[in-house]
Amino acid sequence: DVKVTQSSRYLVKRTGEKVFLECVQDMDHENMFWYRQDPGLGLRLIYFSYDVKMKEKGDIPEGYSVSREKKERFSLILESASTNQTSMYLCASRGGFDRGAYYGYTFGSGTRLTVV
Amino acid sequence: EDKVVQSPLSLVVHEGDTVTLNCSYEVTNFRSLLWYKQEKKAPTFLFMLTSSGIEKKSGRLSSILDKKELFSILNITATQTGDSAIYLCAVTGTASKLTFGTGTRLQVTL
Repeated sequence: DVKVTQSSRYLVKRTGEKVFLECVQDMDHENMFWYRQDPGLGLRLIYFSYDVKMKEKGDIPEGYSVSREKKERFSLILESASTNQTSMYLCASRGGFDRGAYYGYTFGSGTRLTVV
Repeated sequence: EDKVVQSPLSLVVHEGDTVTLNCSYEVTNFRSLLWYKQEKKAPTFLFMLTSSGIEKKSGRLSSILDKKELFSILNITATQTGDSAIYLCAVTGTASKLTFGTGTRLQVTL
């Protein structure tokens, strides 16, 4: 089974801190994604990456950046954390385009970030 | 911009009831629609639908897609307390990224 591991389950950070959320997958997937999940808003895509050193903005990239130096690792960076970035962050990975009929994603367990 | 709307937002039913969850979408160059169940942690995959009119079943859960009317339903029969969760609908289009709806929170009571 594909495993997607997020480094922290719970995180509390102060306003203005630089925050790194790490995500590692073990199935050699090309595609990786970062979502945030908020009550009433569902999952919203922040950034995604189709391959090493490639990144694309999602629907809500403001205040975030990402890094994909190695295929298995996709990091989400909050340059200067703010209270409105308090949320559940979910990482996901997926195989390449048209790889069989299954287009499903595998999610990590999530990181609940609180910015105080 | 791709869009997914789920209804109802939340639902409380008694154990043994049958429920129907709705998902409508707008997406450029539709590829697939997916249903996920989310309890306390990561969403877990339920179904992927790509063709209209073909029902997918897994135990008490079933789902069907209507590509003409741009919607899907997820049915759960004989609900159990273990079915309590958020049910997420998502679509993929040209960019192959998942666009999610807000989810339906289902609570099954004894």
